Amino acid sequence: KAGVTQTPRYLIKTRGQQVTLSCSPISGHRSVSWYQQTPGQGLQFLFEYFSETQRNKGNFPGRFSGRQFSNSRSEMNVSTLELGDSALYLCASSRRTGDYGYTFGSGTRLTVV
Amino acid sequence: SQELEQSPQSLIVQEGKNLTINCTSSKTLYGLYWYKQKYGEGLIFLMMLQKGGEEKSHEKITAKLDEKKQQSSLHITASQPSHAGIYLCGADTRDDKIIFGKGTRLHILP
Repeated sequence: KAGVTQTPRYLIKTRGQQVTLSCSPISGHRSVSWYQQTPGQGLQFLFEYFSETQRNKGNFPGRFSGRQFSNSRSEMNVSTLELGDSALYLCASSRRTGDYGYTFGSGTRLTVV
Repeated sequence: SQELEQSPQSLIVQEGKNLTINCTSSKTLYGLYWYKQKYGEGLIFLMMLQKGGEEKSHEKITAKLDEKKQQSSLHITASQPSHAGIYLCGADTRDDKIIFGKGTRLHILP
């Protein structure tokens, strides 16, 4: 079966711009979580969506937002990009909320210049 | 301080040698997850431990959970080049999310 698909794979944006990242979970997986990974902070939880509802949110500013569609696909948006937003953004899916045996996508590498 | 500490941060071992990676939580553990990551890629789920004293194995990788000490260890026997990568532990502390350690970078020398 197809894995978790994240698009785009790489992205270069300028400070102040906004960006939208996409994640298509494994078929049948209804929970989608987003993580930011940087060398200094490691993996930081952004938010989790289940059945189109945000279940939990990490300690990130309001510039970071997301949504989930009825087919479980999810998008995250970052507005007014800052240099510090440069990171690998990972999407993880599971069948249900609270199931942390995730299947991760390959990530989107965002570089802000 | 970090809620989930991994040690060592980096490890270089000769192929064929055994090694152990540790993960210690400052909070009560309700589940401990081990993942492996190739540089710049997504994480691959290895195994989950939930009960104190639980031990699981997958090929040459064995993980144990010491619930009282709030820690887990991952042991690789007879390491191979395919074992190289970053190993991350994740903890379920009943906070509606999993927190990850910063990872242990493993290099295998041929």
